[in-house]
Amino acid sequence: AQSVTQLGSHVSVSEGALVLLRCNYSSSVPPYLFWYVQYPNQGLQLLLKYTSAATLVKGINGFEAEFKKSETSFHLTKPSAHMSDAAEYFCAALPYNTDKLIFGTGTRLQVFP
Amino acid sequence: EAGVTQFPSHSVIEKGQTVTLRCDPISGHDNLYWYRRVMGKEIKFLLHFVKESKQDESGMPNNRFLAERTGGTYSTLKVQPAELEDSGVYFCASSQDGLLNSPLHFGNGTRLTVT
Repeated sequence: AQSVTQLGSHVSVSEGALVLLRCNYSSSVPPYLFWYVQYPNQGLQLLLKYTSAATLVKGINGFEAEFKKSETSFHLTKPSAHMSDAAEYFCAALPYNTDKLIFGTGTRLQVFP
Repeated sequence: EAGVTQFPSHSVIEKGQTVTLRCDPISGHDNLYWYRRVMGKEIKFLLHFVKESKQDESGMPNNRFLAERTGGTYSTLKVQPAELEDSGVYFCASSQDGLLNSPLHFGNGTRLTVT
């Protein structure tokens, strides 16, 4: 069965530092992949999605993610962290022919001044 | 445009009681989904409505959970009787088309605590 693994439940970076949040999927057939962000007391918002077009996907707020089939990964990056990036981030997969997202356990990002 | 609204935002009930969660999707969105996050774990799919029909209810944990979407507008999720392991955050989401063709909009969630 499809699963999504997010390494690191908590990640801390300094303001201005690189953000790297890891996500791996388990599937012989690459699914569609998404990153969502949840700010405190809010619902999840879509950051970006991969749908088998370009392997490097750009999202909102300066985030991007690269799909690497050989590594079954879809890591999220941002060159320079901002205090407002502090939130919980979820990687999710959508297997073909379903409308059911499979989420990872989430990574909470803390940004220190 | 109003977003997806859920209420209550918090609910604390005792084991054995009944709770009903409500979700109002964005107007015109035929697809409505329920997800749940148990503390510290992943967000898990519960079920998917297309209009008033249940398209996929494979994620519903057991028959203590009942979801309805009368008239294809708002949806309710009833837990009866509630058990301790039902505690978590219940998210509702809606989309106009399928997940690839249109974005999924989430509500802020209902935090359910069963004591």
